[in-house]
Amino acid sequence: GAVVSQHPSRVICKSGTSVKIECRSLDFQATTMFWYRQFPKKSLMLMATSNEGSKATYEQGVEKDKFLINHASLTLSTLTVTSAHPEDSSFYICSASEDASYNSPLHFGNGTRLTVT
Amino acid sequence: AQSVTQPDIHITVSEGASLELRCNYSYGATPYLFWYVQSPGQGLQLLLKYFSGDTLVQGIKGFEAEFKRSQSSFNLRKPSVHWSDAAEYFCAVGPGVGNILTFGTGTQLKVEL
Repeated sequence: GAVVSQHPSRVICKSGTSVKIECRSLDFQATTMFWYRQFPKKSLMLMATSNEGSKATYEQGVEKDKFLINHASLTLSTLTVTSAHPEDSSFYICSASEDASYNSPLHFGNGTRLTVT
Repeated sequence: AQSVTQPDIHITVSEGASLELRCNYSYGATPYLFWYVQSPGQGLQLLLKYFSGDTLVQGIKGFEAEFKRSQSSFNLRKPSVHWSDAAEYFCAVGPGVGNILTFGTGTQLKVEL
């Protein structure tokens, strides 16, 4: 089946530094990728939708300058948390689909646990 | 706006017992409904989905769900739970624009041996 690889699985960084999270589709071309944030005991909150070769579409309330998303190829999207603060600590998950149609399956990465100290 | 409610935050069942996880949705048209499972520290795995047709949907790992339009529900069931089923379960509704799903807050399933 389709595989989405997310790296790193865990990262600890100091406050004020930036962290990059990668999301790769290993055996399919992902026209669309999604980035979610999951708080403890909470649901997945969609942060942004990225389409290959175009700017990401951010959900309301998500700071685009803080959470930089790049989808430069059909197999790779990156999320960079800039100037991270402890409140950015969370579980970040990406998902990918071949296209944006409703019946195009979503394939999820295993998530990245970010801890900002 | 679409929304999903999972009324049960935690559920504990004994191994071998039956299971039903509740999901209620709000959506302006015919919804596309999904159930996902998440193991600790992992991403989400699709258990089953409903787009149209037969309202009783079979999924992987012996799970099934029934779409009831009159009750705006899409409850997940399993006749006999295994200890390996302990995980977090999310109900989701879509599509929004561009295959965007709205997730419920999840139900944590604990299985007692």
